[in-house]
Amino acid sequence: SQQGEEDPQALSIQEGENATMNCSYKTSINNLQWYRQNSGRGLVHLILIRSNEREKHSGRLRVTLDTSKKSSSLLITASRAADTASYFCATDSGVNTDKLIFGTGTRLQVFP
Amino acid sequence: DAGVTQSPTHLIKTRGQQVTLRCSPKSGHDTVSWYQQALGQGPQFIFQYYEEEERQRGNFPDRFSGHQFPNYSSELNVNALLLGDSALYLCASSRLLVNTDTQYFGPGTRLTVL
Repeated sequence: SQQGEEDPQALSIQEGENATMNCSYKTSINNLQWYRQNSGRGLVHLILIRSNEREKHSGRLRVTLDTSKKSSSLLITASRAADTASYFCATDSGVNTDKLIFGTGTRLQVFP
Repeated sequence: DAGVTQSPTHLIKTRGQQVTLRCSPKSGHDTVSWYQQALGQGPQFIFQYYEEEERQRGNFPDRFSGHQFPNYSSELNVNALLLGDSALYLCASSRLLVNTDTQYFGPGTRLTVL
């Protein structure tokens, strides 16, 4: 079963604009991770945020985590055509940090 | 440093056949997890191997089995293939005893069952 649900399901923007994706989950977690997937290939790890962290940055990425609302957001600033991909949030089960539970993903299209 | 590798890249089988997929973890990693990703969906956890034993299992039937070798590489076997087994199969590696460790994914094997 899916733990997380990403919103929106699809997003289309122009290069240079910011893209924001949201993820909601159901159970307590130890950490939450965001992954990118290009054209149905392997997942590329973007960023991990722990349950005791509220915000984390990595380059053009900014992730927030609100454990009281069981939600996270991924912001990509100054988007590029190369950012076109599907983005997934993944959480652990809260009991074991190894099994990842993925959401359904947000498909981002960045037009040049 | 090689990342996670998987073979083959693509595979076409017919219903009822058996298939074996292979995965080599990232250097220094001792744990391998397998995921199934149906078209348009997020990956679903199948099982995880550590020290050559199945450590955790998701909600998949016994037709799905695996193995881990002493060099930490792993195989995923699926028997009596069904049309619904068509998916992208992803392997991920990590270090079990490192809390909040990142799981690194391979490029996947695309299985088509006809």
